[in-house]
Amino acid sequence: IAGITQAPTSQILAAGRRMTLRCTQDMRHNAMYWYRQDLGLGLRLIHYSNTAGTTGKGEVPDGYSVSRANTDDFPLTLASAVPSQTSVYFCASSQAAGGGYTFGSGTRLTVV
Amino acid sequence: EDQVTQSPEALRLQEGESSSLNCSYTVSGLRGLFWYRQDPGKGPEFLFTLYSAGEEKEKERLKATLTKKESFLHITAPKPEDSATYLCAVPPDAGGSGYALNFGKGTSLLVTP
Repeated sequence: IAGITQAPTSQILAAGRRMTLRCTQDMRHNAMYWYRQDLGLGLRLIHYSNTAGTTGKGEVPDGYSVSRANTDDFPLTLASAVPSQTSVYFCASSQAAGGGYTFGSGTRLTVV
Repeated sequence: EDQVTQSPEALRLQEGESSSLNCSYTVSGLRGLFWYRQDPGKGPEFLFTLYSAGEEKEKERLKATLTKKESFLHITAPKPEDSATYLCAVPPDAGGSGYALNFGKGTSLLVTP
């Protein structure tokens, strides 16, 4: 089934640890995104990539980094996790010409 | 300043009771307005894209409409399975983030039998 796969589904992480959230799509979409979703704040853009080899910062990029080595993969790394990064993280993709995003099922991350 | 504001935050309807959700936006050059549905514990699911004032899109019991300042998601004779959070989103004014979207905080809809 075409779509986006995120891993892990959930994770409890000690503060100060490094963590990479994985995201893979099989639709050959050019653009990919990472959002975090928090109660009362909605979905906020962390980083985006319009095409393989390029990335950009969104609304809340501090403490996060991304890479886009190929079309299919867009990992999100927390270099040194802090409790405020406790959230649900969604990866999404879209065709360059617009249209709706396809979202993954999310990663629920708890930093303790 | 929020570019997308949704109202109400929560809405409870009885099965068959039609209503509308509102999404107002403040971007100057609209490059599309998107509606999504999100079920608990899942990622948002794309519903509609609207591009110009007067445009309408329909899917089952849902109809989305667009004016120059806002969009409405009309729900006709809803069923319990329509219960979900409905999200509205627009691309920001600045073009630097490409195709990224700014999302509203959503309307949580509960339809009771």
